[in-house]
Amino acid sequence: AQKVTQAQTEISVVEKEDVTLDCVYETRDTTYYLFWYKQPPSGELVFLIRRNSFDEQNEISGRYSWNFQKSTSSFNFTITASQVVDSAVYFCALNPGGYQKVTFGTGTKLQVIP
Amino acid sequence: DVKVTQSSRYLVKRTGEKVFLECVQDMDHENMFWYRQDPGLGLRLIYFSYDVKMKEKGDIPEGYSVSREKKERFSLILESASTNQTSMYLCASRLAGVVEQFFGPGTRLTVL
Repeated sequence: AQKVTQAQTEISVVEKEDVTLDCVYETRDTTYYLFWYKQPPSGELVFLIRRNSFDEQNEISGRYSWNFQKSTSSFNFTITASQVVDSAVYFCALNPGGYQKVTFGTGTKLQVIP
Repeated sequence: DVKVTQSSRYLVKRTGEKVFLECVQDMDHENMFWYRQDPGLGLRLIYFSYDVKMKEKGDIPEGYSVSREKKERFSLILESASTNQTSMYLCASRLAGVVEQFFGPGTRLTVL
């Protein structure tokens, strides 16, 4: 069975603070993909990043960075110098290789206060 | 850019009504998905479709059916709407062999 846990339900930070969103996953598959999606108030989920299980390199994209650690089954997401536009619900997701179904976490609502 | 559109952003229906939610994608994707999103539960897969006329049950198919007569269109049907089907419904699509899904804007359905 696949499982994705986002233990932080809601986080509030003041603008320009750094914030890390946690994601812990469970799978028995050796090949899998991990994702982060952003859902702004408009409702549409926006794809942010994909990582496959064979690539543990951390990634940075502007103010966003992702830390993938297989040893702890975690795929954490850090926003540096947060901005009000970062306010959204963020979902972590797991797609085992060869399967069609994606398992989503319950989401973390991030509020960035000006 | 991939474009996934859903027929309505907001919908209000009465208990017992038959409800159709439509999803259209313009990128010739083989796979399409219907999810519902509820607070504290994240996204849960209702049905998905590998290709035209093909469908598979997801995690919570009870009370729903789907139709995929054309590649670009995937319809979710509530045969007899109930109040516990009040939710946000999200459609997604992806190219076969590619893992990223692309989502529509969602339909917020209220069943009274």
